Amino acid sequence: AQSVTQLDSHVSVSEGTPVLLRCNYSSSYSPSLFWYVQHPNKGLQLLLKYTSAATLVKGINGFEAEFKKSETSFHLTKPSAHMSDAAEYFCVVSDKTTDSWGKLQFGAGTQVVVTP
Amino acid sequence: DVKVTQSSRYLVKRTGEKVFLECVQDMDHENMFWYRQDPGLGLRLIYFSYDVKMKEKGDIPEGYSVSREKKERFSLILESASTNQTSMYLCASSSLDRGRDQPQHFGDGTRLSIL
Repeated sequence: AQSVTQLDSHVSVSEGTPVLLRCNYSSSYSPSLFWYVQHPNKGLQLLLKYTSAATLVKGINGFEAEFKKSETSFHLTKPSAHMSDAAEYFCVVSDKTTDSWGKLQFGAGTQVVVTP
Repeated sequence: DVKVTQSSRYLVKRTGEKVFLECVQDMDHENMFWYRQDPGLGLRLIYFSYDVKMKEKGDIPEGYSVSREKKERFSLILESASTNQTSMYLCASSSLDRGRDQPQHFGDGTRLSIL
């Protein structure tokens, strides 16, 4: 069985400072991991994905995430927050099981607030 | 770019009505999904489909049905709408390879209110 825990429900940062969103996962097999972002009244947009290649994954808008198997973590970071980064972020896991059919397990989400 | 289009952004219906939510994708994806999103509960999978005329129950299928007559279109049906089905509904699609490494692409959502 797979599960995802986002350790912070809300994160507040100042514009220009680093952003860290924490995610831990549980998976029976070698997982695929994703981060999505959702702006108000919009659907989810893919930020980046990890699929067993390089453990440091670069995504759009300056975000990156590092897969650490020993810690079962996939934390999302950005060196310098921008006002447009204010949104909700979801960590997502997909198990590579034969019957998964691409089903995803979503974390509860982290709401990011960026202050001027 | 992948485009997933949901027919309505906002919809208001009455209790007991039969409600149709439509979703169309333009990337020839095999897999399509319907979720609902509620504050504090995150995204929950209602139904998914991995081929035309095929459907599988997700985590919360009660009170819903789906239809996939064409590959690009996946419809969610509320047979008899109830107030507890007021929610944001999100459609998504992904390509095959059992979907394991393929991300899902989402529409902008339909905010449904049942009065």
